[in-house]
Amino acid sequence: ETGVTQSPTHLIKTRGQQVTLRCSSQSGHNTVSWYQQALGQGPQFIFQYYREEENGRGNFPPRFSGLQFPNYSSELNVNALELDDSALYLCASSLESGTELFFGSGTQLSVL
Amino acid sequence: QKEVEQNSGPLSVPEGAIASLNCTYSDRGSQSFFWYRQYSGKSPELIMSIYSNGDKEDGRFTAQLNKASQYVSLLIRDSQPSDSATYLCAVIKGPGGSYIPTFGRGTSLIVHP
Repeated sequence: ETGVTQSPTHLIKTRGQQVTLRCSSQSGHNTVSWYQQALGQGPQFIFQYYREEENGRGNFPPRFSGLQFPNYSSELNVNALELDDSALYLCASSLESGTELFFGSGTQLSVL
Repeated sequence: QKEVEQNSGPLSVPEGAIASLNCTYSDRGSQSFFWYRQYSGKSPELIMSIYSNGDKEDGRFTAQLNKASQYVSLLIRDSQPSDSATYLCAVIKGPGGSYIPTFGRGTSLIVHP
């Protein structure tokens, strides 16, 4: 069984640029959730995809967007990067919406 | 009031002691509760899930849920230095609310030899 994988592991961007983060869900899981975790804080929910449809969205601006592919992998796109976007971005898959989350290793994004 | 609240700590306990980690939640209709462990620089790892009132034991870990008091806790028996990490509580509201897990900010646990 393959776990959740994320790429890249680290990324450095400058303010105003755009970034795409990728996530492959665990085998058999149809739901992917994205979280942002700032240093010393708990994960903050960005959005969730269930069977290729957005299933919920947290309090993040529209420049945070995403999609899920037919194989249930997912992308998180962030446009017009701001300094405050520097954080650990976590992808988690689950068997169904509302069940346990299993996290990937995360992408550490630094915006300079 | 935050949806899920945890004391940020740090909670410091000696090796071999019982560590008690607490979490309160605001939505009385919440139905699913999870504890995650997060080592520094790593991603969260699921330790336990609990859905009904009472205790649930798994090895050295015991989760306790009290829905009337809107309180969930995690006990770690025979604490080891390798248990030193941040422990995150997550709550799902369920039917009538949202199926999205909401996390607390986590409690830092330090187990000293």
